[in-house]
Amino acid sequence: EIVLTQSPGTLSLSPGERATLSCRASQSVSSNYLAWYQQKPGQAPRLLIYGASSRATGIPDRFSGSGSGTDFTLTISRLEPEDFAVYYCQQYGSSPRTFGQGTKVEIK
Amino acid sequence: QVQLVQSGAEVKKPGASVKVSCKASGYPFTAYFMHWVRQAPGQGPEWMGWIDLKSGAARYAQNFQGRVTMTRDTSITTAYMELTSLRSDDTAVYYCAREPYECINGVCYSDAFDLWGLGTMVTVSS
Repeated sequence: EIVLTQSPGTLSLSPGERATLSCRASQSVSSNYLAWYQQKPGQAPRLLIYGASSRATGIPDRFSGSGSGTDFTLTISRLEPEDFAVYYCQQYGSSPRTFGQGTKVEIK
Repeated sequence: QVQLVQSGAEVKKPGASVKVSCKASGYPFTAYFMHWVRQAPGQGPEWMGWIDLKSGAARYAQNFQGRVTMTRDTSITTAYMELTSLRSDDTAVYYCAREPYECINGVCYSDAFDLWGLGTMVTVSS
C-alpha cells in the first residue's frame, strides 16, 4: 500500500499570498497518477488536479500541480477567499487507492 | 444535469447492516467505474472499493473484505454499497465517486474521481 504524507498539516496565510502544499509517497506513484482534491466543510471533495499536473474542468489557473515519482506539490498562486479549505492528495496508480491525511489552508 | 444523488442519512445499531444508494444521471452510466469512499468525522477520506458498472465486477479494500458488497442496477442507473456487522467506528460520511476510464487493447487506464455524490451520513450507535 502506498502511504501518502502531506505537509504541513495546517497552513496559515492571507488572501493574495502563495500556498505551497506537499505530498510525499512511500513509493513511486505509477504513471504519476496523483490527484489533488479540495474539500470545504460539509461538502464532498472536488477534483482540482489529476495526472499530477493537469487541471480538472473549470478549475482556475491559479491552481497548479507539479512533481513526479514520490514528491508532488500543489501550488495556489494567489489565495482567494474561497480557497481556504482542506486539500487532499490521492494516488490512483495502484490498489488500494490511498489518500493523504490532508492540509488545511486557513486564514491568517 | 450530471450528478450523483445519494440516499439519506441512516442510524444503525452495532451489528446491523446498511445499504447506501447512489443514483447517477446526465451521463452514460456504464461508461465509468464507481468508487465508494468514507470519511469519519475529522478524518481524511478512506477508499473502500470500486465496481465496474458495465460488468458488475467489484474489488474491495482489504480493510472491508467480507463486510462490504458493491452492486449496481443498470436499469435505474444506481449503484449500491452494503456494509454489514456495523461497529461504532463505521460512523462516517459515505461517498460514491465516479472514475472515467479508458481501455485500449485490453489495458484499462485509471483516472481520478471527477464527480462525487454529496455523501450519506451513517451513524452507528447503541
